[in-house]
Amino acid sequence: KAGVTQTPRYLIKTRGQQVTLSCSPISGHRSVSWYQQTPGQGLQFLFEYFSETQRNKGNFPGRFSGRQFSNSRSEMNVSTLELGDSALYLCASSAGTGPYEQYFGPGTRLTVT
Amino acid sequence: EDQVTQSPEALRLQEGESSSLNCSYTVSGLRGLFWYRQDPGKGPEFLFTLYSAGEEKEKERLKATLTKKESFLHITAPKPEDSATYLCAVFGQGAQKLVFGQGTRLTINP
Repeated sequence: KAGVTQTPRYLIKTRGQQVTLSCSPISGHRSVSWYQQTPGQGLQFLFEYFSETQRNKGNFPGRFSGRQFSNSRSEMNVSTLELGDSALYLCASSAGTGPYEQYFGPGTRLTVT
Repeated sequence: EDQVTQSPEALRLQEGESSSLNCSYTVSGLRGLFWYRQDPGKGPEFLFTLYSAGEEKEKERLKATLTKKESFLHITAPKPEDSATYLCAVFGQGAQKLVFGQGTRLTINP
């Protein structure tokens, strides 16, 4: 079974721009969660989508948004990028919503200059 | 608010030297505690899920245990390839999301 894939793997953007990251979950998985990982804050939950509906949201500003498509693929968008948005963005998929095992992709390394 | 504290922050062992990593947590209604391994530049790799106090799970040289306040990841006779950051996370009834600790960076010297 193919794992979680994320594209692109690396991105360099300028402050004020916007960015869209993509995630394809494991086949059959309907839940996709997004996380931000930084050296200072560690892994922090952004949001979870299940069956195209946002089920939960972390404590991030409205500049961070996401969506899920009918094939369970998900995208997240960050508008008006700030230097502090530089991070590894990780996507994880699971069979359902709740305390299921989450399987992570390799991440997208975003650098904002 | 759910919280996870992992200790130590970093641990350096000789090959074959067994040890334990600690994960202390406070959570509103624990529904699951998860252990992950993360190698540099990669996403976390799932290791174990524990659901209730007293539960134990093993995989090769790793064994995870759970009490009502903490979990331990025991590493027996580690090898250099066990070097990684080990992450602990809890899923609580209230937050309904994974809350991660800061991780323990483990280095096994040959």
